[in-house]
Amino acid sequence: QKEVEQNSGPLSVPEGAIASLNCTYSDRGSQSFFWYRQYSGKSPELIMFIYSNGDKEDGRFTAQLNKASQYVSLLIRDSQPSDSATYLCAVNLIEGADGLTFGKGTHLIIQP
Amino acid sequence: NAGVTQTPKFQVLKTGQSMTLQCAQDMNHNSMYWYRQDPGMGLRLIYYSASEGTTDKGEVPNGYNVSRLNKREFSLRLESAAPSQTSVYFCASSDRAGRTNEKLFFGSGTQLSVL
Repeated sequence: QKEVEQNSGPLSVPEGAIASLNCTYSDRGSQSFFWYRQYSGKSPELIMFIYSNGDKEDGRFTAQLNKASQYVSLLIRDSQPSDSATYLCAVNLIEGADGLTFGKGTHLIIQP
Repeated sequence: NAGVTQTPKFQVLKTGQSMTLQCAQDMNHNSMYWYRQDPGMGLRLIYYSASEGTTDKGEVPNGYNVSRLNKREFSLRLESAAPSQTSVYFCASSDRAGRTNEKLFFGSGTQLSVL
């Protein structure tokens, strides 16, 4: 069964610290991996994508991919209260329908 | 820059009523999608259209129909609404370049309640 798994949280992190969000996926052939941020009552917003093993940095965000372990993570440095949201991991699974398969999301709370 | 526009934003239906959710994108994307989001279930794909003139089922298609009217517009129809279809519905489009690149851009969502 095609799956994308995330810890639902809530994950509570002090302001200024590093928030680490994790995701595992079941389809070893998956090629594309995405992180979306969703504020309460709003639509998902793409913040990072990664295709190759290793790290990809964009401002305070770093996406990490390990295809051998079927694991992708998102690090948020210098966490701000405005980073409080639900973070959705999404994977372009090779088998099945087009589109992305989403995890259920991790609720992140940044404590001032 | 509108991006992906969905209407209506809110809707309340009685069981058995029908309705159509409208979606339009102005980014010249080929692919369009309908997802539903339920508490504890995450986003689940209902139907998608990889290009104008084609539609395919996703993970949870039962009770829904879709129409890709043209490249810009992709509608979702509930023929006989059921309480199990109470959800938030998101339309999305993609500048898809093969299966390895499917960045999705979402509309603002439709909150649907079926009583």
